[in-house]
Amino acid sequence: GAVVSQHPSWVICKSGTSVKIECRSLDFQATTMFWYRQFPKQSLMLMATSNEGSKATYEQGVEKDKFLINHASLTLSTLTVTSAHPEDSSFYICSARNSGRNEQFFGPGTRLTVL
Amino acid sequence: QKEVEQDPGPLSVPEGAIVSLNCTYSNSAFQYFMWYRQYSRKGPELLMYTYSSGNKEDGRFTAQVDKSSKYISLFIRDSQPSDSATYLCAMNSGGYNKLIFGAGTRLAVHP
Repeated sequence: GAVVSQHPSWVICKSGTSVKIECRSLDFQATTMFWYRQFPKQSLMLMATSNEGSKATYEQGVEKDKFLINHASLTLSTLTVTSAHPEDSSFYICSARNSGRNEQFFGPGTRLTVL
Repeated sequence: QKEVEQDPGPLSVPEGAIVSLNCTYSNSAFQYFMWYRQYSRKGPELLMYTYSSGNKEDGRFTAQVDKSSKYISLFIRDSQPSDSATYLCAMNSGGYNKLIFGAGTRLAVHP
């Protein structure tokens, strides 16, 4: 149980294009999902907290117009990187929290490379 | 000062050794403590989840929480090369608050 999937696992795109990453909780309902960014050999950096049916809460310094988050259902959240630039290249990981519980379960991550 | 301190290592041990990984924290409101294992280019995997002080054992893994010292530990017995990964501690005060992560400790278990 407690499986979280992400799609795609890796993506390469040209500068200026937008990229959408999906995060799904496969066997539980997740009222809250989180989006993290991770640079090589560094810890996780929380970007935003996404609650089903409401606007995401962004961490300080994260541009909400650049990183669009939608949490339309209890099993799906999406992160769209708009007008991507090379500095957006990173490993993006989502996590989901089971409704009524405190544990967070992570997806396998998406590696984004912007050329 | 960071809320959660964790030595990034790397820590290199021979196969079969007992590994001790630790984190300290400063926020006395933290009640829930987690250990995650992350292999290279993969998402973190939840290993241990504990509430308040005490010990919890799961197979070769034991998590300890000492709230009086604001210190948590993860012990790995009979370490295996497959345990080579980065281990992240994480914690929060509950109430659906966000997790605060340590920097992660890179562990290498050599045959």
